[in-house]
Amino acid sequence: NAGVTQTPKFRVLKTGQSMTLLCAQDMNHEYMYWYRQDPGMGLRLIHYSVGEGTTAKGEVPDGYNVSRLKKQNFLLGLESAAPSQTSVYFCASSQLALGETQYFGPGTRLLVL
Amino acid sequence: GESVGLHLPTLSVQEGDNSIINCAYSNSASDYFIWYKQESGKGPQFIIDIRSNMDKRQGQRVTVLLNKTVKHLSLQIAATQPGDSAVYFCAENSGGSNYKLTFGKGTLLTVNP
Repeated sequence: NAGVTQTPKFRVLKTGQSMTLLCAQDMNHEYMYWYRQDPGMGLRLIHYSVGEGTTAKGEVPDGYNVSRLKKQNFLLGLESAAPSQTSVYFCASSQLALGETQYFGPGTRLLVL
Repeated sequence: GESVGLHLPTLSVQEGDNSIINCAYSNSASDYFIWYKQESGKGPQFIIDIRSNMDKRQGQRVTVLLNKTVKHLSLQIAATQPGDSAVYFCAENSGGSNYKLTFGKGTLLTVNP
């Protein structure tokens, strides 16, 4: 039981490039989330999903898109990366409602030059 | 102590001492609270949770206290060990129509051998 996994662990992009971050969970959780974590700031919710085929915007959705084609996977896409998107990205999942315990992946460090 | 929305405070303790990490929350409608531990370069790890119908909950070496009157949450770690060194942050279920977790910025705990 791996829990929540994320790929890649680290990536460097140039401004304007695109990429997709992959999150996978093997706990059969309905809810999945993408957060970013920046120095001096708490986790900020980018997008979330309440089930396969559904997505919703969080606090800071601009510049990101997501897809939940399979229950176990939640993809985060950056269509045209900007330096302001340099951050550590965490995926999380929860079994119950949106406000219940979330289990986090190890994170993806993204540097946009 | 920590407050959702303020700077990252620090706490330095000697190995073997007890640690107390504080968190102030602002939403009186919050009914569920979680403490997470985040080690350097890793994702947040669930430690313990508590619901608003309780004022104390104990785990292995950890105790969470909830004071709803003053909207205060604390995490007590008994016999602190070097492996406890990490950032600790609380999260609250903000309740209402915006049913999601809101995360604090955290407290850095350093355990001196």
